[in-house]
Amino acid sequence: EAAVTQSPRSKVAVTGGKVTLSCHQTNNHDYMYWYRQDTGHGLRLIHYSYVADSTEKGDIPDGYKASRPSQENFSLILELASLSQTAVYFCASSEWGAGNTLYFGEGSRLIVV
Amino acid sequence: SQLAEENSWALSVHEGESVTVNCSYKTSITALQWYRQKSGKGPAQLILIRSNEREKRNGRLRATLDTSSQSSSLSITATRCEDTAVYFCATDTNAYKVIFGKGTHLHVLP
Repeated sequence: EAAVTQSPRSKVAVTGGKVTLSCHQTNNHDYMYWYRQDTGHGLRLIHYSYVADSTEKGDIPDGYKASRPSQENFSLILELASLSQTAVYFCASSEWGAGNTLYFGEGSRLIVV
Repeated sequence: SQLAEENSWALSVHEGESVTVNCSYKTSITALQWYRQKSGKGPAQLILIRSNEREKRNGRLRATLDTSSQSSSLSITATRCEDTAVYFCATDTNAYKVIFGKGTHLHVLP
């Protein structure tokens, strides 16, 4: 069974502060993704990566950075958190990318105040 | 605009009834995936149907794919209360990106 773990599971951050969401997978998958979920918008792709030390922009990358220091780890960084970034964030991994199963973590709920 | 989109925001059925969720998409695809997300959990894949397939089954679930009309459907037979969830279709837009629709909220009533 694929395993993707996210931390923290829940966080309250202040506006203008820095937030780092971490994701760790034990699937030996090359592809990793960060999605954001808001009511009414479904899941929107923020950043993704298909190899360590390289990241790519998704559909809504503004205000977010990503880091992939190893195959197992993929972080999402909010340098200056804003109220509009309050959402639930999901990390996922897949073996080959598009056309293959994505395995999701349990999500990280971020509230920016 | 959405590259993949479910056709209903919410559906309600009673236990034992069948229900179909529809999805339309706008690009050529390698595969279309259906995911289910239960409250407080991450999405989990139900079915992956490749572009050269027309139908795929998984227990009480049946997915169809019509590449000519760029549409797909997910049917659930003999629904149970535990089928209550949000159902997403997802497509690929290139070799790397997987894009999700906004989801259909399915409520299965006792």
